[in-house]
Amino acid sequence: QSVLTQPPSVSGAPGQRVTISCTGSSSNIGAGFHVHWYQQLPGTAPKVLIYDNNNRPSGVPDRFSGSESGTSASLAITGVQAEDEADYYCQSYDTSLSGWVFGGGTKLTVL
Amino acid sequence: QVQLQQSGPGLVKPSQTLSLTCAISGDSVSSNSPAWNWIRQSPSGGLQWLGRTYYRSKWYNEYAVFVKGRITVDPDTSKNQFSLHLNSVTPEDTAVYYCARGIGHIHATYYFDSWGQGTLVTVSS
Repeated sequence: QSVLTQPPSVSGAPGQRVTISCTGSSSNIGAGFHVHWYQQLPGTAPKVLIYDNNNRPSGVPDRFSGSESGTSASLAITGVQAEDEADYYCQSYDTSLSGWVFGGGTKLTVL
Repeated sequence: QVQLQQSGPGLVKPSQTLSLTCAISGDSVSSNSPAWNWIRQSPSGGLQWLGRTYYRSKWYNEYAVFVKGRITVDPDTSKNQFSLHLNSVTPEDTAVYYCARGIGHIHATYYFDSWGQGTLVTVSS
């Protein structure tokens, strides 16, 4: 049972807009702790995709964007591509657990 | 460009100690900015932060509550690396273990920007 809740799977056809939600609580996202997103391709380590809610590291395509509101956050992929098929995880800090926590992960399938 | 290279055994017997090492290149374990973390990924896919070590004029450690008492994360400045030691392991500790650099000056903005390659550790007799 993850502290941050994500849908297990989402899908979309190439070119479509896909969003992945990350629902937390008043002890993490709702407390103002930033949300970060990671992409994990099969057999590889996670890679940061979005940091501090809505910032992209150098090299990450601008079709990836993040937003946050209240106790939730979202990752949007505008114009999804086949190469985006991967697992996506959100991450934040939780004051009740005094540690960093992750969502359970969402598998993106490109149809 | 930071690179993290993990090493350690892939099989540990129940009740024994799991030990892994992460060698750092492109940064220093003694840097005053980042922190050095261990994160694991269970067979079902979930990620769990385990602990970290960092230097801010002296050494500090922080550990996840669910492993506190069983975990030690140690820096080795002579080899520019850090280690994970998790004792009294059970099959539930079977996972892929990652080392990672964490950046962000406060807990609220902290994230993991560089990761090791991962080590599958199986706890079995």
